[in-house]
Amino acid sequence: TQLLEQSPQFLSIQEGENLTVYCNSSSVFSSLQWYRQEPGEGPVLLVTVVTGGEVKKLKRLTFQFGDARKDSSLHITAAQPGDTGLYLCAGDRNTDKLIFGTGTRLQVFP
Amino acid sequence: KAGVTQTPRYLIKTRGQQVTLSCSPISGHRSVSWYQQTPGQGLQFLFEYFSETQRNKGNFPGRFSGRQFSNSRSEMNVSTLELGDSALYLCASSLAFGGGYTFGSGTRLTVV
Repeated sequence: TQLLEQSPQFLSIQEGENLTVYCNSSSVFSSLQWYRQEPGEGPVLLVTVVTGGEVKKLKRLTFQFGDARKDSSLHITAAQPGDTGLYLCAGDRNTDKLIFGTGTRLQVFP
Repeated sequence: KAGVTQTPRYLIKTRGQQVTLSCSPISGHRSVSWYQQTPGQGLQFLFEYFSETQRNKGNFPGRFSGRQFSNSRSEMNVSTLELGDSALYLCASSLAFGGGYTFGSGTRLTVV
């Protein structure tokens, strides 16, 4: 059973387009993290959100944590080829175990 | 400061053999977690150690084991390797659980 479902699974877009990735669960998380992973490397932490309704911005990336702390979204404005990678959400339920989402593979073409 | 170091980067083993993977966390980080990543299952939690104690274990068979040393370095061992154990094994460290992980580049294990 996958606790964190991400959608879409794959996304292929042109440079300059906007996109949103969703991370959904039926469980409540005390915090949620977003990572980006490039081929041959480990995931790199982008942001941690901890408060329901919280919005964080990181340059062209906007992260939102749902009010009920069960879901999150990542919005990228004016995507660039350097944004290409696997985007992973990960939830913390205070069980000493970080649960990762199914992943969204993004390809941005120049 | 140095990141999380995993060795070796690549490994090819034969079915039935055993393997040990190593992880050196960021200096000062006491929490080390291990994950298995495969195309079909994504990132699956193996176990987490804090101050040499295993605090949580994922749903993997007993062939998968780990330990953490007093200097926070960690090893994981897989015995009686199966073809399905082929995966990228990732180690992550943090100051304490929930603080955001720093991952190593992983060890790519291929079982033939």
